[in-house]
Amino acid sequence: GESVGLHLPTLSVQEGDNSIINCAYSNSASDYFIWYKQESGKGPQFIIDIRSNMDKRQGQRVTVLLNKTVKHLSLQIAATQPGDSAVYFCAENNGDYKLSFGAGTTVTVRA
Amino acid sequence: ETGVTQTPRHLVMGMTNKKSLKCEQHLGHNAMYWYKQSAKKPLELMFVYSLEERVENNSVPSRFSPECPNSSHLFLHLHTLQPEDSALYLCASSQGQDQPQHFGDGTRLSIL
Repeated sequence: GESVGLHLPTLSVQEGDNSIINCAYSNSASDYFIWYKQESGKGPQFIIDIRSNMDKRQGQRVTVLLNKTVKHLSLQIAATQPGDSAVYFCAENNGDYKLSFGAGTTVTVRA
Repeated sequence: ETGVTQTPRHLVMGMTNKKSLKCEQHLGHNAMYWYKQSAKKPLELMFVYSLEERVENNSVPSRFSPECPNSSHLFLHLHTLQPEDSALYLCASSQGQDQPQHFGDGTRLSIL
């Protein structure tokens, strides 16, 4: 079946550096994508989303890039801080209520 | 504060018990969801309600029974659960389809 996956299960980054988290999706019909952050003991927190008619969207310290040609999604975090340590999930939607989630990338920020 | 409140935060129950998980959203959304999150696995969608009607039921065992009395409240009634049902149960809400879903902090369920 269709699936959403992340390239790497873990990412270690130095505080102050930029982080890039990657996600590959396989459903070419998906037209809406979301990034979530989940900290220990909490539920997933919405970070940023992007629709298929865009290839880039920026938020506060975060940028999402969408490459529909290779079905690839990435989340860039600028100037990574200790509070950015968490598990990051990408999710895809193809117009109904279902979100399909990847397995997550655990980001650890080194001081 | 996420706008989605789940109670209890932790629940330990035996396999023969009956319990209920509660979710309340304060965001004015019209769709609510139950997800199961197990270690090392992606989030699994269990149920979706839109305007208090169930629109999705992802082959969930009948020992899980959802209830949506109004657009702000969602329950998950549990009965005769199995050890493999131990997981984090997350509730979410959204304003319609293909809109961001906002999650609560979950109920950590342990089945003895």
